[in-house]
Amino acid sequence: DTAVSQTPKYLVTQMGNDKSIKCEQNLGHDTMYWYKQDSKKFLKIMFSYNNKELIINETVPNRFSPKSPDKAHLNLHINSLELGDSAVYFCASSQVAGKTEAFFGQGTRLTVV
Amino acid sequence: GIQVEQSPPDLILQEGANSTLRCNFSDSVNNLQWFHQNPWGQLINLFYIPSGTKQNGRLSATTVATERYSLLYISSSQTTDSGVYFCAPTGGGSNYKLTFGKGTLLTVNP
Repeated sequence: DTAVSQTPKYLVTQMGNDKSIKCEQNLGHDTMYWYKQDSKKFLKIMFSYNNKELIINETVPNRFSPKSPDKAHLNLHINSLELGDSAVYFCASSQVAGKTEAFFGQGTRLTVV
Repeated sequence: GIQVEQSPPDLILQEGANSTLRCNFSDSVNNLQWFHQNPWGQLINLFYIPSGTKQNGRLSATTVATERYSLLYISSSQTTDSGVYFCAPTGGGSNYKLTFGKGTLLTVNP
């Protein structure tokens, strides 16, 4: 059983398209996160939800919109994809925001062509 | 926000060698984790270590929160240890996010 799972693992799409990445955790955690890893391997927080409430919203273009239908799921929708959005996106979860161990999904490699 | 510096940025070892990776951070922390990102891109949890010392097989970690640093020791390195090692603390107070360092790229040669 995968603790934090993301789909799809790979996503290749054209500029201007809209795409979604889904994340689910079966750990019973209250907090979920989206991180972006750029081509230099730098990992940066994008969003975090705690019990379906947005608690972190870093400086991210409005084209990115997270949605948390319940505390086990956090999806990321991206509108009007741009070349610069190409990256690996990681979902993560932890029991208590910022204070307990976080576990990461396997990542979604997004390539915009 | 908290600043995180990892050193060295790159490290090349022969199989069997030992190494120490360092993580300095600029503020008090609630949480600190070490991760290994393997060549397939997976982020693997190594240690959750806001303070003290932990050991897991050939790996051990020490965090001295009062002096704002953490160390990751790898003994008898193997080729499968290759990859990027990240340190990620969470700053004190109501800071909810892990802030990642730039990582140490470790290459272990046979």
